[in-house]
Amino acid sequence: DGGITQSPKYLFRKEGQNVTLSCEQNLNHDAMYWYRQDPGQGLRLIYYSQIVNDFQKGDIAEGYSVSREKKESFPLTVTSAQKNPTAFYLCASTRTRGANVLTFGAGSRLTVL
Amino acid sequence: GQNIDQPTEMTATEGAIVQINCTYQTSGFNGLFWYQQHAGEAPTFLSYNVLDGLEEKGRFSSFLSRSKGYSYLLLKELQMKDSASYLCAPNSGYALNFGKGTSLLVTP
Repeated sequence: DGGITQSPKYLFRKEGQNVTLSCEQNLNHDAMYWYRQDPGQGLRLIYYSQIVNDFQKGDIAEGYSVSREKKESFPLTVTSAQKNPTAFYLCASTRTRGANVLTFGAGSRLTVL
Repeated sequence: GQNIDQPTEMTATEGAIVQINCTYQTSGFNGLFWYQQHAGEAPTFLSYNVLDGLEEKGRFSSFLSRSKGYSYLLLKELQMKDSASYLCAPNSGYALNFGKGTSLLVTP
């Protein structure tokens, strides 16, 4: 079955450490997105990529970095510059550029100790 | 930019009808999405309205008024499993931005 796989599901990190969250899709979708969700909040856009080797900052890109070297992969690095990284991170994809129906991964929950 | 407003919480009784409102202001607009999200899970697609009016899909309906910047999600014959957050997301053409969501609690 096609879908989006995020790993790890749960991650603990010490302050000052960088951590990379994996997102892989086998849907042959062009566009991929990273969202952050805090308790009781909606989803906030971190980064998105509409084609390979290109990505754009979302509303809260500071302290994060991404790459899009392959169509199926869009990893997110949470750097030590991110002041409040504890959150639920969701990766999503859409078939084409532009906003249409998002397919989400199951999410990665990051906790900074 | 975008401004999206939804009620934070709502409570309704099993079997009843509930309407969740969303008002928005965007710099571009192509349509509006509604997603459902159960606690600890990823959001799932419910509906997408492009034209003004009501679209019905089983127990769920969604309404859009483009001129008023207003949408609502109507849930009929509420079931306990409908307890979830409901997220409104105007489509401005490049990537979706979501409202904070409305947390719906269905009680027996």
